[in-house]
Amino acid sequence: DTEVTQTPKHLVMGMTNKKSLKCEQHMGHRAMYWYKQKAKKPPELMFVYSYEKLSINESVPSRFSPECPNSSLLNLHLHALQPEDSALYLCASSQVRVLGTDTQYFGPGTRLTVL
Amino acid sequence: AQTVTQSQPEMSVQEAETVTLSCTYDTSESDYYLFWYKQPPSRQMILVIRQEAYKQQNATENRFSVNFQKAAKSFSLKISDSQLGDAAMYFCAQYSGGGADGLTFGKGTHLIIQP
Repeated sequence: DTEVTQTPKHLVMGMTNKKSLKCEQHMGHRAMYWYKQKAKKPPELMFVYSYEKLSINESVPSRFSPECPNSSLLNLHLHALQPEDSALYLCASSQVRVLGTDTQYFGPGTRLTVL
Repeated sequence: AQTVTQSQPEMSVQEAETVTLSCTYDTSESDYYLFWYKQPPSRQMILVIRQEAYKQQNATENRFSVNFQKAAKSFSLKISDSQLGDAAMYFCAQYSGGGADGLTFGKGTHLIIQP
């Protein structure tokens, strides 16, 4: 089973709202990732969690707040977003057997629209 | 920082024909992995094939194979017997550096399959 699930599939929110994106995997992977993908662009890394600890934060604005409550779950809390934050948000996971080598498996993404 | 370059924004091929997508990369690592991902209109990122740099043999997965030229830092994807379901964006990717790190993607090649 190489499934990563993400909820919700679609999200529309106003600039004053607070919402959360959820990602889940049951493959025993210990690294989880958030990527942001704008239309017709490649995914760009936002955060990396390794063994439930934030290991990489690619200078993402503080209106995005990641959380990894356990090894299977990854959340992305959203607050006071801007219209330019509208994008597809992809979650991925991988094992950490040999760092920097394992295949990342992606979820289907959450399509976010900020009004 | 690692860079991944895909010089073909769009490619078109007749169904049942063979097509090759190009990718070059830059890394200072001695051991690394390279990946090709496919993103159909559903926008689910799907692993197509991966190559371990220490392996001289080119990776193959059914109709998909790579031509890995380590000295030239080239990693092209060959799709044989193209099918309508192969139509998608194809991204070449490598890890950004050592550690539980995120992937750096090329800009992608949009593959069109002509029936």
